[in-house]
Amino acid sequence: AQSVAQPEDQVNVAEGNPLTVKCTYSVSGNPYLFWYVQYPNRGLQFLLKYITGDNLVKGSYGFEAEFNKSQTSFHLKKPSALVSDSALYFCAVSLSAGGYNKLIFGAGTRLAVHP
Amino acid sequence: EPEVTQTPSHQVTQMGQEVILRCVPISNHLYFYWYRQILGQKVEFLVSFYNNEISEKSEIFDDQFSVERPDGSNFTLKIRSTKLEDSAMYFCASIVRAPPQETQYFGPGTRLLVL
Repeated sequence: AQSVAQPEDQVNVAEGNPLTVKCTYSVSGNPYLFWYVQYPNRGLQFLLKYITGDNLVKGSYGFEAEFNKSQTSFHLKKPSALVSDSALYFCAVSLSAGGYNKLIFGAGTRLAVHP
Repeated sequence: EPEVTQTPSHQVTQMGQEVILRCVPISNHLYFYWYRQILGQKVEFLVSFYNNEISEKSEIFDDQFSVERPDGSNFTLKIRSTKLEDSAMYFCASIVRAPPQETQYFGPGTRLLVL
């Protein structure tokens, strides 16, 4: 079965330190991977995606993600965390079914950045 | 920047009542989705819709659910007879094209509470 795993329920980081939010995937065929962020009482906001090519993908708000095919991972990173980065982060894989795509989400990781 | 909008933001209903959740996708988008997020759980795919037809639906999307695009702008999700377990945040998403590398854009969600 095709799936996405986010092994950490919560990640705690001090402001100014680098952060990593982990994601691993299991899909057949080419993986199209996404990161979304959800702030309290808000919808899902697109951060970045991996389609093909460069394994390091840059996205919004200074976030980047590294695609590693051998480890089937797509970890989200930021060199210097801000308190305002505190939110719920979802990794997702896009599956093509009958010509139409849908997203399969991980369980989410709550990022808490402390001053 | 164009956005997906959803109304209402919150809905409280009695078990057994019908509810209609409304979404206005981004205007040039052609593919539409509903997802659900039960409190504390992952975001789950419900249904995809294209060219006035359901293109795929999940096991969750049973006969109590229906979707419609009644005019050129709205996309609705109807739950005919709500159950307690339908309490969740419902997200609408839209996409301009179908390939899996395309980004889905989400609305802010409707929080449904069934009493």
